[in-house]
Amino acid sequence: GQQLNQSPQSMFIQEGEDVSMNCTSSSIFNTWLWYKQDPGEGPVLLIALYKAGELTSNGRLTAQFGITRKDSFLNISASIPSDVGIYFCAGQTSGTYKYIFGTGTRLKVLA
Amino acid sequence: NAGVTQTPKFQVLKTGQSMTLQCAQDMNHNSMYWYRQDPGMGLRLIYYSASEGTTDKGEVPNGYNVSRLNKREFSLRLESAAPSQTSVYFCASSLGGGYNSPLHFGNGTRLTVT
Repeated sequence: GQQLNQSPQSMFIQEGEDVSMNCTSSSIFNTWLWYKQDPGEGPVLLIALYKAGELTSNGRLTAQFGITRKDSFLNISASIPSDVGIYFCAGQTSGTYKYIFGTGTRLKVLA
Repeated sequence: NAGVTQTPKFQVLKTGQSMTLQCAQDMNHNSMYWYRQDPGMGLRLIYYSASEGTTDKGEVPNGYNVSRLNKREFSLRLESAAPSQTSVYFCASSLGGGYNSPLHFGNGTRLTVT
C-alpha cells in the first residue's frame, strides 16, 4: 500500500540541539498531520496543516506544509529529554477520509 | 473526557481463535478507523467508517471484519487469528473528512498470536 517516505529513520542528538525531519509523497495532499508517540501509548497530535505553504508552531515545534503539497517538515528547537519518542507524519488526499502514515522518525536525546 | 477508549489493552490468542477488539469515542466524531502498527512499518489502515452505517476497506483488510455499532463504537473482529496478525492495534476517530478533522487515537491493544 501507499506509504510516505519519512526521514531520517532515527537520530541521536544532544540536549539543546535543534532537530529537523521531513516527509515526502508521490501524491498531492490537502492535509498534513504530525504526531508523537511515547512507548506503550497511542500517537498524540502535535500539529495539523491544511494549506500549501502554511507554517504553524506549537511551542518549540514548527511544521510546514510544502509548496508542492507533496512534502512537509517538522522542526524541534532546543531539544529536551522529554522529546524522546517516535514522530509520525500523516497525509490525506482531497475527497477521502483515509490518512496515510510515514514509517516514523525515532528521536533519542542525550542529556 | 476519555477521548478514544480501547479494550482490551493486551491479549494473547492461539492460532485459529477468534476475538473482537472494542473501541468507543466520546467526542461525537463521525468517522472511526482501525490501524495496525508493526515495527518499521508505521501505521497501516485496516478498515474505516466514514460515518455511522458505512464501512470501507483500508490497505490491509484481509483477515479482519468490522462493525460500526453506533456513532460511538467501532469494533474489529479477527475470525481465525494467525501469527501474522500479531501487532499493536489502534483505533482512531475524527470529526469526519475535510478541513480541521485530524485523527485522535486510543492507547492501543497489544495482540500476540501464538
